[in-house]
Amino acid sequence: TQLLEQSPQFLSIQEGENLTVYCNSSSVFSSLQWYRQEPGEGPVLLVTVVTGGEVKKLKRLTFQFGDARKDSSLHITAAQTGDTGLYLCAGALNAGNMLTFGGGTRLMVKP
Amino acid sequence: KAGVTQTPRYLIKTRGQQVTLSCSPISGHRSVSWYQQTPGQGLQFLFEYFSETQRNKGNFPGRFSGRQFSNSRSEMNVSTLELGDSALYLCASSLFPMGNSRREQYFGPGTRLTVT
Repeated sequence: TQLLEQSPQFLSIQEGENLTVYCNSSSVFSSLQWYRQEPGEGPVLLVTVVTGGEVKKLKRLTFQFGDARKDSSLHITAAQTGDTGLYLCAGALNAGNMLTFGGGTRLMVKP
Repeated sequence: KAGVTQTPRYLIKTRGQQVTLSCSPISGHRSVSWYQQTPGQGLQFLFEYFSETQRNKGNFPGRFSGRQFSNSRSEMNVSTLELGDSALYLCASSLFPMGNSRREQYFGPGTRLTVT
């Protein structure tokens, strides 16, 4: 069992649809990050959330950190084909700890 | 500003051999972390170096080792390769070490290692 569980593992949608990806744990995290990784490349940091209940927006992407800092979600509005990729959440249990990554959500947006 | 570079990008080795992978961080970054990414286990932390010192280590056997040079470039070494070591090895650089709330990591493209 992974410390951070991401769901769904795979998601295939049509361009223009909305979607939400979840990252859940029974542990409390001091911070949580979301990355996107494209084939043949390393993950690219999208956002860092540190405060329980925090909501951050990045264009069509909305990130939320749960009040108890145990879970997070990523919502994409009006998905585009360029959003295709592997979305990874990663959390630090405390400020001095290494990042633990979730298993990832592989998103495919079809034209 | 140039990003994180990793060499080589692809590598094929046979069981029992050893391998050395290289990572050059973003200019000015002193923290380098290494990760292993496999389809089955996902992304797992190997170790972190900051100012030539290993500060954190993940749960990997002693066959996996690393070092960092005075110019912040880092190498990781895997000895006595096993089939299960086949993976994408990612390096990430940061201005700040683990434990700093302002830390953000920037990943390189990775080295794809295949062990046959």
